[in-house]
Amino acid sequence: GAVVSQHPSWVICKSGTSVKIECRSLDFQATTMFWYRQFPKQSLMLMATSNEGSKATYEQGVEKDKFLINHASLTLSTLTVTSAHPEDSSFYICSARASVQGIEAFFGQGTRLTVV
Amino acid sequence: GEDVEQSLFLSVREGDSSVINCTYTDSSSTYLYWYKQEPGAGLQLLTYIFSNMDMKQDQRLTVLLNKKDKHLSLRIADTQTGDSAIYFCAESIDYKLSFGAGTTVTVRA
Repeated sequence: GAVVSQHPSWVICKSGTSVKIECRSLDFQATTMFWYRQFPKQSLMLMATSNEGSKATYEQGVEKDKFLINHASLTLSTLTVTSAHPEDSSFYICSARASVQGIEAFFGQGTRLTVV
Repeated sequence: GEDVEQSLFLSVREGDSSVINCTYTDSSSTYLYWYKQEPGAGLQLLTYIFSNMDMKQDQRLTVLLNKKDKHLSLRIADTQTGDSAIYFCAESIDYKLSFGAGTTVTVRA
């Protein structure tokens, strides 16, 4: 299958700082990328859908000013957690499709964010 | 997600078959998926089935879909220790995936 690379794999940051997570499709162009959040032993919660060259669509209850998403190219989407707080600590996972209608969604390896 | 339900745990002996069950609620789902997640890792797509199919087999994996009952199952034949992981079923609605809570499969010797 196609490869989606997420960076960093883990990050520890101080409360009040911002953290950027990158999601890259390595061998295909991803017109659509998705950002998820996963709490321990729970399912994935979709945070937002980003389409290349346009604004992200956020799910209900997700603060767009806190979780900034940029999808500036067909191979890169970034999620920036602004003014992070301990409650933002979580596992963040991105996925990418080759097209909006693409059947298969490929996932990155996830980023463990710990805010201290 | 709340619309996709799975049992949380399954323990199986090495060499036996594992069956993981899932129910979903949205009849407009076009595709249904099974993903595998190992500790600290992302999700690996195992297989998927189109909603107008009843069954799909891929090596050790067999997916059964009962669209009337909105029931999906994944059978893993000859379960191995490497199959220990969390398995998520997901439905695709408007090209977004909605996941179940995941079934933790433990393979014992």
